[in-house]
Amino acid sequence: EAGVTQFPSHSVIEKGQTVTLRCDPISGHDNLYWYRRVMGKEIKFLLHFVKESKQDESGMPNNRFLAERTGGTYSTLKVQPAELEDSGVYFCASSQERDSGYTFGSGTRLTVV
Amino acid sequence: QKEVEQDPGPLSVPEGAIVSLNCTYSNSAFQYFMWYRQYSRKGPELLMYTYSSGNKEDGRFTAQVDKSSKYISLFIRDSQPSDSATYLCAMRASGGSNYKLTFGKGTLLTVNP
Repeated sequence: EAGVTQFPSHSVIEKGQTVTLRCDPISGHDNLYWYRRVMGKEIKFLLHFVKESKQDESGMPNNRFLAERTGGTYSTLKVQPAELEDSGVYFCASSQERDSGYTFGSGTRLTVV
Repeated sequence: QKEVEQDPGPLSVPEGAIVSLNCTYSNSAFQYFMWYRQYSRKGPELLMYTYSSGNKEDGRFTAQVDKSSKYISLFIRDSQPSDSATYLCAMRASGGSNYKLTFGKGTLLTVNP
């Protein structure tokens, strides 16, 4: 079984630019999550999709962040325009059922300079 | 007060030692408790998943949950150099549509040969 795939693995962009991160969950997993870890802090929840619907986006920092999940398959997280404080590692995770562990991807390391 | 507190370490032990990792939490709504292992530049990997109080054993790993004290532990027996990683506790509430994980900061463990 293929795991959760994220790309790019690393992105360096200038402040003000736009970046789009992509996540391919495990096939058949309806639940998809985005998390972020900024340096020195805990991994924090950003949002949760059930199929193509946003179930909970309470962790999204502000309206510069836009997440989509086309047709309930892969998901994208766009940051526009990027700010320095957006730097961190963005993780995607997926799960089949609510009461099961989540499988995380390797993350995208975003550096805004 | 943070919802989840975890001593970041670092923790260094000799091969074969018993390792004890711990987290405390303040939110009494947490019902599901997880331990993740994260190697450098990788995503968190689920090690143990428990519901409510009690013990769970899987090979060299034992997870304990004491809800009355709001305290969870992970024990690693016969530790190996390959166990060297960051260990993250995570937890979430049950019911409704609450899928959001709350993480500790992680404990960096080094097992020396």
